[in-house]
Amino acid sequence: DIQMTQSPPSLSASVGDRVTITCRASQSISTYLNWYQQKPGKAPKLLIYAAFSLQSGVPSRFSGSGSGTYFTLTISSLQPEDIATYYCQETNNNPFAFGGGTKVEIK
Amino acid sequence: EVQLVETGGGLIHPGGSLRLSCAPTGISVSHTYMSWVRQAPGKGPEWVSVIYGGGSTFYAESVKGRFTISKDDSKNTVYLQMDGLTHEDTAIYYCARRSDWGSGVAFDIWGQGTRVTVSS
Repeated sequence: DIQMTQSPPSLSASVGDRVTITCRASQSISTYLNWYQQKPGKAPKLLIYAAFSLQSGVPSRFSGSGSGTYFTLTISSLQPEDIATYYCQETNNNPFAFGGGTKVEIK
Repeated sequence: EVQLVETGGGLIHPGGSLRLSCAPTGISVSHTYMSWVRQAPGKGPEWVSVIYGGGSTFYAESVKGRFTISKDDSKNTVYLQMDGLTHEDTAIYYCARRSDWGSGVAFDIWGQGTRVTVSS
């Protein structure tokens, strides 16, 4: 199975800061990579699919990039409502593994 | 608006069985890939199972042989029968729609989740 590793596990940034989260796959997954946002007590919400495609309704400050084994999620200007845990997920093959998550907090 | 509503969670003893249900509104399970995804306390999500519109099913290795996904198109409901439950199955179980594009797949609609606790 493919292993997904996210970094950092947590980060603290100020409102307006540019925030970048990385996700590495244990083998090449082309662009079969999704990003989800999960707020406490809520279900995950799809932000980005196929590495860089923005899901409908998601603010344009979120963007994704990468291919192969290295991917990034960027929040161009952090907002208070972006406080959440972010997960990457590979969809190259079942079981569609998720990363361990990155918790984003406001400084 | 599409919504997924899960029911059936609860407290169960090790070795016991439980059946979860997912009743979508706004989509038809006969034409959609429906999945179950679980999340153990403090952990990331874990895909559990999927059922295709045509009825094909797939499972994570961790539940294969113990869990069974099924659907009733007439009731527009998806089920997850969980047998031989262990402490490691303790999690919030989410029903999620899997959407497929040429460029990949993603879980784009999720239910609110139902909590399963396996404890003696």
